[in-house]
Amino acid sequence: QQPVQSPQAVILREGEDAVINCSSSKALYSVHWYRQKHGEAPVFLMILLKGGEQKGHEKISASFNEKKQQSSLYLTASQLSYSGTYFCGTERGGGSEKLVFGKGTKLTVNP
Amino acid sequence: DAGVIQSPRHEVTEMGQEVTLRCKPISGHNSLFWYRQTMMRGLELLIYFNNNVPIDDSGMPEDRFSAKMPNASFSTLKIQPSEPRDSAVYFCATGTRSQETQYFGPGTRLLVL
Repeated sequence: QQPVQSPQAVILREGEDAVINCSSSKALYSVHWYRQKHGEAPVFLMILLKGGEQKGHEKISASFNEKKQQSSLYLTASQLSYSGTYFCGTERGGGSEKLVFGKGTKLTVNP
Repeated sequence: DAGVIQSPRHEVTEMGQEVTLRCKPISGHNSLFWYRQTMMRGLELLIYFNNNVPIDDSGMPEDRFSAKMPNASFSTLKIQPSEPRDSAVYFCATGTRSQETQYFGPGTRLLVL
């Protein structure tokens, strides 16, 4: 039931782009993306809802393919501050607010 | 707003001792979630409350773990007796259905020796 994230880790130079994927075997109501820096709490980035609605970070974009139960997070023109571990959390809906998180993708942005 | 408040921030205890972790949600948030994070298992949901009522406790590992939410501004997660394998970072997160996401507290780093 845990979503699968790929890649597990990625290293970029400042200014490069990256895509992080999140895939579920179950039908989803929404996908939530968080970033966690070392030693800190996860910070909400954005939510993608069934039906196409999105809410979140101005500089980060994402997609949600409901049929394939997949979401992708697009990090363009990466900055040093983008470094951290990115988690997707999936919600199946049906009245439950429960999120199941993937194992994370560690992003390192170097100068 | 002060955000989600957790205490203590760090706890070191010996095996067999009782541990109590505390969480104060963001004012107005009626959903509260307790998570555990380890390198091996990642971020796991232990239990969540809505309007102070436990909704899903399927993630609570065993009877040694218990959680309460006596009112809208306070929740506790208790481990009794604690074991070394309980060592982890425990996060409390809160939210509302209208906001449709969860905001995490700073976490409690627990080390059981």
